[in-house]
Amino acid sequence: GAVVSQHPSWVICKSGTSVKIECRSLDFQATTMFWYRQFPKQSLMLMATSNEGSKATYEQGVEKDKFLINHASLTLSTLTVTSAHPEDSSFYICSAYRDGDTQYFGPGTRLTVL
Amino acid sequence: TQLLEQSPQFLSIQEGENLTVYCNSSSVFSSLQWYRQEPGEGPVLLVTVVTGGEVKKLKRLTFQFGDARKDSSLHITAAQPGDTGLYLCAGGRDDKIIFGKGTRLHILP
Repeated sequence: GAVVSQHPSWVICKSGTSVKIECRSLDFQATTMFWYRQFPKQSLMLMATSNEGSKATYEQGVEKDKFLINHASLTLSTLTVTSAHPEDSSFYICSAYRDGDTQYFGPGTRLTVL
Repeated sequence: TQLLEQSPQFLSIQEGENLTVYCNSSSVFSSLQWYRQEPGEGPVLLVTVVTGGEVKKLKRLTFQFGDARKDSSLHITAAQPGDTGLYLCAGGRDDKIIFGKGTRLHILP
C-alpha cells in the first residue's frame, strides 16, 4: 500500500497562535489530498479538498480563512489553523488520493489548544 | 443529514462470538469502503466493494454490498481481542469519501 505521513503527530499550543500541519505522500504523487477532523468518539468529517496548484474546496461550515490549505507540490499539502482556540482542539487527518486507486490516510495529528 | 447510518454504535462481545455490523443509506454509492481505526491513528482500509451483491472475504471478516448499492454489512466470525477498534464505513460520492459515524467494537478476552 501507499504511505502517507503527517507532521507533527501531536502539538500543543496556546490560544491565539497558529499551527501548521503537513501531509506528505511518500511514495506516490497526489494531485488531490483531503483534510478531515475527528472529535473524540466521533467519525471523520471532511473539511476540505486540497488540489495541487489551485485553491482548496471547503465543505459547508468550514471557515477557509481559519483553516488555510496549501498544496504546493504533488507530495505535500499543509493545513494551517490560524488563531487557534480551544474549540479547535481535535484530531486532524489527511488523505492522499492515488490516481486510479483510492485514498490513503495519514496517521493523524492531535492538536490541543490551551 | 447523516448519509451513512451505522449500527450498532457500540458492541461489546466475548471472544469467539460472531457479530455483524451494518451500514445503511438512502442514497446509492458508486463504492463502499470499510475501515478500521485504532485510537490515535488514521483509518486503515479493509476492503472496497463496488458491485451490487458483491461479497468479499478477508480472513474472518466477510463484507457484503447490497444489491441496490445502498447498504453494506461486515460479519466477523469468532471475534478476537485484536478485532477491537472503530469500524467505519464510507461511501464514494463526487470524488469524495463520506464516512458513517462508526461502530465501536470491543472484544472481551
